Amino acid sequence: AQTVTQSQPEMSVQEAETVTLSCTYDTSESDYYLFWYKQPPSRQMILVIRQEAYKQQNATENRFSVNFQKAAKSFSLKISDSQLGDAAMYFCAYDDYKLSFGAGTTVTVRA
Amino acid sequence: EAQVTQNPRYLITVTGKKLTVTCSQNMNHEYMSWYRQDPGLGLRQIYYSMNVEVTDKGDVPEGYKVSRKEKRNFPLILESPSPNQTSLYFCASSRRLAGGTDTQYFGPGTRLTVL
Repeated sequence: AQTVTQSQPEMSVQEAETVTLSCTYDTSESDYYLFWYKQPPSRQMILVIRQEAYKQQNATENRFSVNFQKAAKSFSLKISDSQLGDAAMYFCAYDDYKLSFGAGTTVTVRA
Repeated sequence: EAQVTQNPRYLITVTGKKLTVTCSQNMNHEYMSWYRQDPGLGLRQIYYSMNVEVTDKGDVPEGYKVSRKEKRNFPLILESPSPNQTSLYFCASSRRLAGGTDTQYFGPGTRLTVL
């Protein structure tokens, strides 16, 4: 199994501020995909952002962006202008047909 | 509406009593998979299927069986459930791409308790 490590079990951010979640992974493959998923208290898994490993450009979706460092096997998520609705558990995932998830980071947003 | 459905949503059973959790998708996705979620461990893949009649083990397949006889359905079978299979289970589907898969569409989850 590929190893995906999220080293921050919990992060807290003030509303309107920025928070960065870290993710590292281990692989010998050159083609793969990386994802960040959000799981609010409803337990529904929601895609936040995806990145193809063959693309050097970092993916961006509105207030969410990634810093993809392929050589370092690092895939961090930045949430800008944090909102109360961003409070959730965030999972990093590696995909080369078999999917591996990190243990998750719980994000708390302070009003 | 594009969706993945799972049934039942909640289930309490006893050790050794065979059970099946159904999963169905209406998006014509080739790829389907099952995960279990446990506190502190994230989601772990149990089995996945690249297409009809093609299944493969994920990271934690012991104690589970699957079948993929139709493209839309991917049931998870626990032949003899044990308490360590108490967990939250997710089914997901996606398109298959070169080198991996597209965005996973997850079902709502099944909370299983084995006494």
